[in-house]
Amino acid sequence: AQTVTQSQPEMSVQEAETVTLSCTYDTSESDYYLFWYKQPPSRQMILVIRQEAYKQQNATENRFSVNFQKAAKSFSLKISDSQLGDAAMYFCAYRSGREYGNKLVFGAGTILRVKS
Amino acid sequence: EPEVTQTPSHQVTQMGQEVILRCVPISNHLYFYWYRQILGQKVEFLVSFYNNEISEKSEIFDDQFSVERPDGSNFTLKIRSTKLEDSAMYFCASRPGLTGQYFGPGTRLTVT
Repeated sequence: AQTVTQSQPEMSVQEAETVTLSCTYDTSESDYYLFWYKQPPSRQMILVIRQEAYKQQNATENRFSVNFQKAAKSFSLKISDSQLGDAAMYFCAYRSGREYGNKLVFGAGTILRVKS
Repeated sequence: EPEVTQTPSHQVTQMGQEVILRCVPISNHLYFYWYRQILGQKVEFLVSFYNNEISEKSEIFDDQFSVERPDGSNFTLKIRSTKLEDSAMYFCASRPGLTGQYFGPGTRLTVT
């Protein structure tokens, strides 16, 4: 079974600075997808960024980028120019590349605090 | 932009009662999911649904749970006889194909 580990329960960053959230995963599959979701205090789950395992290029969405190291099974999220609105719980998630079903397997989450 | 909607936003029920949580997935999506998140814990998969049948379910999804897509738009989760430990945030999600899942805002279920 696949597992996702987020070893940082909590992180802090100064506004306008850069922060990196860590995520490692374990799988025997070669075809899969990795995601970062943001959960603000409203508890809505918001998709931040997606990475396909077959792509070597790291995904980028505006201020959010990932460092995907497939051999090391590592998938970190970098937030540049942090803003107060980035404060939230961040979940790393794994999904098999099989077409059907494909549940998301989540890590325990990292609380990100942004200081003004 | 289309989004997944869920009703109600908060449901309070007594132990042993049946509850139905409702979701309207994004209209052209094909895969539907229910997850739950007990306060302060990680998000857990309950069940996935494709082509009008369950494609995968977790150990949590026992005989007390059922899902249905009664018409072309709604996707419901029924808990037949709620327990205290069913208190959680329940999220519906959907996806069109090989992309990320889009989550609804959740239904907070409180069992007293």
